[in-house]
Amino acid sequence: DIQMTQSPSSLSASVGDRVTITCQASQDISSFLNWYQQRPGKSPNLLIFDASKLETGVTSRFSGSGSGTDFTFTISSLQPEDIATYYCQQYNNLPLTFGPGTKVDIK
Amino acid sequence: IQLQQSGPGLLKPSQTLSLTCAISGDIVSSSSAAWNWIRQSPSRGLEWLGRTYYRSKWYNDYAVSVKSRMTINPDTSKNQFSLQLNSVNSEDTAVYYCAADYGSGSFSFWGQGTQVTVSS
Repeated sequence: DIQMTQSPSSLSASVGDRVTITCQASQDISSFLNWYQQRPGKSPNLLIFDASKLETGVTSRFSGSGSGTDFTFTISSLQPEDIATYYCQQYNNLPLTFGPGTKVDIK
Repeated sequence: IQLQQSGPGLLKPSQTLSLTCAISGDIVSSSSAAWNWIRQSPSRGLEWLGRTYYRSKWYNDYAVSVKSRMTINPDTSKNQFSLQLNSVNSEDTAVYYCAADYGSGSFSFWGQGTQVTVSS
């Protein structure tokens, strides 16, 4: 199985700050990586697919980059509605696997 | 696309978990979709369990961790798909989600989630 790791596990930032989350795969997954947002008590929501493509209807404050084993998710200007946990997920191989998540709070 | 989950939330050890995911806005036999089950627990995080999809015939894929106990079945007459997990134990306690994949592994649509608790 491909193991996904994320850092940090949690962060606290101020409104307007730039926030960056990293995700690392245990082997090369090309660009087969998604990012999801999960607000408390809700189902996950797909934000970015193919490592850098924004899902329809998702704010352009969110962006993704990377390929191979190292990936980055960025919130350009943190807003109160961005309070959530963010997960990466690979789809290069079965089983499809998720990272452990990064919890984002407002300072 | 909307996915509506149903099924019991409390089971005893060794019982069988049965959940259903009703689809609106597409058909279960769509040739562009795959229909997945995913669960989430504090100890295991988000865990993909398996999927069913139709590409001239029906296919299923399962995670090794549940393959011997799990069945995912499409129901074309009701436009839904189901999960059956046999011989549950406390480690199966989790929130279970159904999800639609239109992009080879990208979960674009999710059900509302069902909290399943296994307790004697």
